[in-house]
Amino acid sequence: DTEVTQTPKHLVMGMTNKKSLKCEQHMGHRAMYWYKQKAKKPPELMFVYSYEKLSINESVPSRFSPECPNSSLLNLHLHALQPEDSALYLCASSQSPGGNTEAFFGQGTRLTVV
Amino acid sequence: GESVGLHLPTLSVQEGDNSIINCAYSNSASDYFIWYKQESGKGPQFIIDIRSNMDKRQGQRVTVLLNKTVKHLSLQIAATQPGDSAVYFCAENMGKSQGNLIFGKGTKLSVKP
Repeated sequence: DTEVTQTPKHLVMGMTNKKSLKCEQHMGHRAMYWYKQKAKKPPELMFVYSYEKLSINESVPSRFSPECPNSSLLNLHLHALQPEDSALYLCASSQSPGGNTEAFFGQGTRLTVV
Repeated sequence: GESVGLHLPTLSVQEGDNSIINCAYSNSASDYFIWYKQESGKGPQFIIDIRSNMDKRQGQRVTVLLNKTVKHLSLQIAATQPGDSAVYFCAENMGKSQGNLIFGKGTKLSVKP
């Protein structure tokens, strides 16, 4: 199983809503990532979890709150988002952080903030 | 600041021709590089990787070349097919213990039948 599964695939939310994005992998990977990708742009790193602990936060606003409940799951909690936060949110995992191994990506959640 | 970039934003080739996609990087500490393919509406898909102690690596129909002297990376696709049409990103891992995979700008490859 070399899959990273993200749910939901699409999400529309209002600026006052609270929602969560979910990511799951069963490859035994100990590093998990959240990326944000705007149209026609490369993915931008948001957060890195290493052995279930947050190791990198790329100055992401607090309205995005990551959570890693266990080694297979990664969540991104959303609250009070802005329309400019609309993007494709990608989850990825790799065997170990900084271990020079490939990162596997999910298909992403297409988020629209209205 | 240091970044990963690409020389060509778009590339159009005839089916059956070879394609070459280029990438320039400026972080001399980077020790691992990956090429990803991203089709519309999908997540990036791993194509091939190379470590900084190598200058060439071959896969099935793809070859990655690394020139550390000029900090240049290229992806060669042999006998390009319509299914190869996508956006291609190079990404670098700066080898930090926490892991930090940074993507370049991307090149859109269009294959004409």
